[in-house]
Amino acid sequence: GEDVEQSLFLSVREGDSSVINCTYTDSSSTYLYWYKQEPGAGLQLLTYIFSNMDMKQDQRLTVLLNKKDKHLSLRIADTQTGDSAIYFCAERGNNNDMRFGAGTRLTVKP
Amino acid sequence: DTEVTQTPKHLVMGMTNKKSLKCEQHMGHRAMYWYKQKAKKPPELMFVYSYEKLSINESVPSRFSPECPNSSLLNLHLHALQPEDSALYLCASSQDLMDYTFGSGTRLTVV
Repeated sequence: GEDVEQSLFLSVREGDSSVINCTYTDSSSTYLYWYKQEPGAGLQLLTYIFSNMDMKQDQRLTVLLNKKDKHLSLRIADTQTGDSAIYFCAERGNNNDMRFGAGTRLTVKP
Repeated sequence: DTEVTQTPKHLVMGMTNKKSLKCEQHMGHRAMYWYKQKAKKPPELMFVYSYEKLSINESVPSRFSPECPNSSLLNLHLHALQPEDSALYLCASSQDLMDYTFGSGTRLTVV
C-alpha cells in the first residue's frame, strides 16, 4: 500500500456527510476503486471510477477524481451507523493485482 | 452467481499440521488471486493465476503452496506454518478492469 495513501481515521455524526481522501502515484491507472471492509469480513467493492471521468455518483456515494493532483475522494451522504467500517482506496497494479491504501476507519456516532 | 466462496471461514491449525484453503467462483473469471491480510493492514498479494497457470508468486515462502485444479477452483495448501502466518486469507477473481470480486476470507490462526 505504499503507493496509495489515505488518512487512517475519520469520525462523523449520523446524518452528516463523510469524505474519505486518497492519493495515488500511478498516473497510468485506468480504474480506481473504493472497497469497504466491515469487522471480520471480506472486501466489498463499493464503486469504481474510470480515469477519464471527474465524478461518479451512485446513490449516497460520490467519487471525485482529480487526475492532475492524483487525488481521489469518496463522499458518503447521510452517513449511517451501518457505514462504520474500513474504506480502502485501490488502484490496479501491473500484475493485475489491487494495490490498496492503508485504509480509513470510519466511525459513525449516533 | 456473482460471488467468490471461500471455505472454511475459520481455521485453527498447529505448526505441524497440513491444511488447505478453498476458493470457488462460477462467474467465468479467468484470473484468480490469493491475498494475505494482517490485522489493521491492507491486503497484500501472494499469488496470481491466469488461465489456470501461476503467473505471479510474490516471494511467498514454500510453506504456502497454491493450486488451480480448474478455472473455477483455487486452493492454498498450508504446511508447517508459523504463528506469524496467522491472518485473514482472501481469494479474489477477475475478468476485466471493472470486475474484481473478493471472497469473505478464511481467518487462519496458527498455534
